[in-house]
Amino acid sequence: GAVVSQHPSRVICKSGTSVKIECRSLDFQATTMFWYRQFPKQSLMLMATSNEGSKATYEQGVEKDKFLINHASLTLSTLTVTSAHPEDSSFYICSASIGSEQFFGPGTRLTVL
Amino acid sequence: QKEVEQDPGPLSVPEGAIVSLNCTYSNSAFQYFMWYRQYSRKGPELLMYTYSSGNKEDGRFTAQVDKSSKYISLFIRDSQPSDSATYLCAMSAINDMRFGAGTRLTVKP
Repeated sequence: GAVVSQHPSRVICKSGTSVKIECRSLDFQATTMFWYRQFPKQSLMLMATSNEGSKATYEQGVEKDKFLINHASLTLSTLTVTSAHPEDSSFYICSASIGSEQFFGPGTRLTVL
Repeated sequence: QKEVEQDPGPLSVPEGAIVSLNCTYSNSAFQYFMWYRQYSRKGPELLMYTYSSGNKEDGRFTAQVDKSSKYISLFIRDSQPSDSATYLCAMSAINDMRFGAGTRLTVKP
């Protein structure tokens, strides 16, 4: 099956710093990637839809200047959390689509101190 | 009303039991229906993917879709402790995917 990787798997940073999370489709090309945030014991919340070569589409309530998304190639999308604060601590998950199916990465746990 | 409703549980069953997980939805535009399994601190993994109304079976798992009632189910037969996880239903239209809250399942040996 299709494999999606994320890096890093876990990151701890100080408040005010920026953190970059990478999402890669390993064995397929993904024209569309999705970024989700998941708080403990809650479901996945879509943050943005990322299309290769174009600007990401953000869900309502998600600050595009805080969560920078770059989909530079058909196999790589990055999410940068700028000026991170403790309330940004969460589990960030990306997915890549093939047709109507989505395949998820293993997630990145961000802890902002 | 949420677009996708799923009882968060928790649900605890003995090993070998048949598990029934359900979701309802309100958006008739949803065309694709998925069930994901998510272990603690891991990303979701796709279990079942269906398009039309009816049943789809894969090993111990059966996915059922009733578009007329806007109701989907996942059945797990002969449940195992390794099935203990959170199960998320998901449904999508074109470039619009919504998840249920997830049901936390524990299968006790």
